[in-house]
Amino acid sequence: KAGVTQTPRYLIKTRGQQVTLSCSPISGHRSVSWYQQTPGQGLQFLFEYFSETQRNKGNFPGRFSGRQFSNSRSEMNVSTLELGDSALYLCASRGSGYNEQFFGPGTRLTVL
Amino acid sequence: AQKITQTQPGMFVQEKEAVTLDCTYDTSDPSYGLFWYKQPSSGEMIFLIYQGSYDQQNATEGRYSLNFQKARKSANLVISASQLGDSAMYFCAMREGGFKTIFGAGTRLFVKA
Repeated sequence: KAGVTQTPRYLIKTRGQQVTLSCSPISGHRSVSWYQQTPGQGLQFLFEYFSETQRNKGNFPGRFSGRQFSNSRSEMNVSTLELGDSALYLCASRGSGYNEQFFGPGTRLTVL
Repeated sequence: AQKITQTQPGMFVQEKEAVTLDCTYDTSDPSYGLFWYKQPSSGEMIFLIYQGSYDQQNATEGRYSLNFQKARKSANLVISASQLGDSAMYFCAMREGGFKTIFGAGTRLFVKA
């Protein structure tokens, strides 16, 4: 079974631009979560989607948004990028079991 | 509010020895799950082990075991027979009845040859 995939792996943007990150969960998994990881703030929960519905949202400004498609693939969008948005963005997928959550390799976003 | 505390920013261990990474948590929800993840320098988060709040036995997965002390709200990870490849960041995480998982600050483990 293929793992969680994230594209692109690396991204360089400038302030004010917007960016879209993509995550494909493990086949059969319907839950996708997004996390932001920075050296200063650590790993912070952004949001989780299940069957195209956002079920939980972290404490991030409205510039951060996401969606999930009928095939469970998810996208995350950040508008009006700021320098502080530079981070590793991790996506995780979960199946019906409560006890596992598998992460993708991440997208490293650099905002100049 | 949920909280995860990892008090050891960095740990050193000699190859082939055992090491314990500490994790304490705080929650008022009786139903929760505790996770440990390993993050090598490549950045990918690797799932190691899971413990449910109602599980009677401590979880084990190969060289990894979770020392779960519910009354003390601690969920320490024990790695037996450390290997050089175990050098990485280790994160403790918790998920309550919902779907949000919170992570501790992490412990960087260095395995010495």
